[in-house]
Amino acid sequence: GAVVSQHPSRVICKSGTSVKIECRSLDFQATTMFWYRQFPKQSLMLMATSNEGSKATYEQGVEKDKFLINHASLTLSTLTVTSAHPEDSSFYICSAGGSQGPSNYGYTFGSGTRLTVV
Amino acid sequence: EDQVTQSPEALRLQEGESSSLNCSYTVSGLRGLFWYRQDPGKGPEFLFTLYSAGEEKEKERLKATLTKKESFLHITAPKPEDSATYLCAVYGGSQGNLIFGKGTKLSVKP
Repeated sequence: GAVVSQHPSRVICKSGTSVKIECRSLDFQATTMFWYRQFPKQSLMLMATSNEGSKATYEQGVEKDKFLINHASLTLSTLTVTSAHPEDSSFYICSAGGSQGPSNYGYTFGSGTRLTVV
Repeated sequence: EDQVTQSPEALRLQEGESSSLNCSYTVSGLRGLFWYRQDPGKGPEFLFTLYSAGEEKEKERLKATLTKKESFLHITAPKPEDSATYLCAVYGGSQGNLIFGKGTKLSVKP
């Protein structure tokens, strides 16, 4: 089945630094990538949607200059949290799919990245 | 506005005690309802897709059903390894993304 690899699984960074999270589709072409943020006991909140080769579309309230998304190829998307602050600490998850919406198996999710900003 | 509501928020069962999780939704033009399982510190893992009212899917101790307003995830004779958060998501309307409920955290005690 479709596999999405997300790295790193955990990262601790100092306040003011930037962190890059990678999401790779291993066996299919990910035309569309979704980036989510999840706080404890909360659901997945969509941050942005990106289509390969295009600029990402950000959800209302998400700072595009703080959360930089690059989707330059059909197998790789990156999320960079710039000038991270403690309030950016969260669980970040990517999911990927083709251009026709979710397959019969939904969108495939990465394993998530736990970001802690100290 | 498209919306997904899951209940209960948390459910504690004894091993072997069957129960059901509920997912009610409002979406303009449902094109799919998905159930996922999420373990702590992990990404969601796909369980089922349902497309139309009356449809049912089964996998081991889990059975998902769909009506025009809600979906149920029935768990028969659960085991401790079924403990996880179960997420419901809908796909429809004009958006390409899935809209998730807050999930039901299931704990199964031996």
